[in-house]
Amino acid sequence: AQTVTQSQPEMSVQEAETVTLSCTYDTSESDYYLFWYKQPPSRQMILVIRQEAYKQQNATENRFSVNFQKAAKSFSLKISDSQLGDAAMYFCAYKTGTASKLTFGTGTRLQVTL
Amino acid sequence: EAGVTQSPTHLIKTRGQQATLRCSPISGHTSVYWYQQALGLGLQFLLWYDEGEERNRGNFPPRFSGRQFPNYSSELNVNALELEDSALYLCASSWDREDPYEQYFGPGTRLTVT
Repeated sequence: AQTVTQSQPEMSVQEAETVTLSCTYDTSESDYYLFWYKQPPSRQMILVIRQEAYKQQNATENRFSVNFQKAAKSFSLKISDSQLGDAAMYFCAYKTGTASKLTFGTGTRLQVTL
Repeated sequence: EAGVTQSPTHLIKTRGQQATLRCSPISGHTSVYWYQQALGLGLQFLLWYDEGEERNRGNFPPRFSGRQFPNYSSELNVNALELEDSALYLCASSWDREDPYEQYFGPGTRLTVT
């Protein structure tokens, strides 16, 4: 069974600084996708970034980038120039190549301080 | 373009009662997913409907059931409510014929069982 592990229940970062959130996963599949979702206090899950396993290049979306280490089954999220609006729960998620459910990690609560 | 909508926002029920939660996907999306986000348990996959059929089911008892209507909206029913059913229920939609990777989430229904 696929599992997703987020070992950091809480993280804190100062505004304008950089923070990295960790995620590891376990799968025997070769075709899969990885995602980072953000859930602010409003509860709305928002997709931050996604990575296709077959792509070697790390995905980037503005201030958000990932470090995808396929052999190590690691998928960390780096947030650069942190902003107060980045404060939220961040969930790492996994999905196989065929349309199917998302498997989520337990989340990391990110605090952004002045 | 309207996003995924869910109703009601909050629902309070008594143990043993039945709850009905509703979800309207993004226009053009044919797949609907239901997730339970219980405190301390993270997001757990409940059900996946596509083209009116139940395609996959998570590890939940038969008390949890649902359906998808011809307009692709969906309903989640929880029978014989138990206290541990108290959770945020999130609905997501996707169109698995193109860009089959991204699930768009609704704001959720907070179910409280007393």
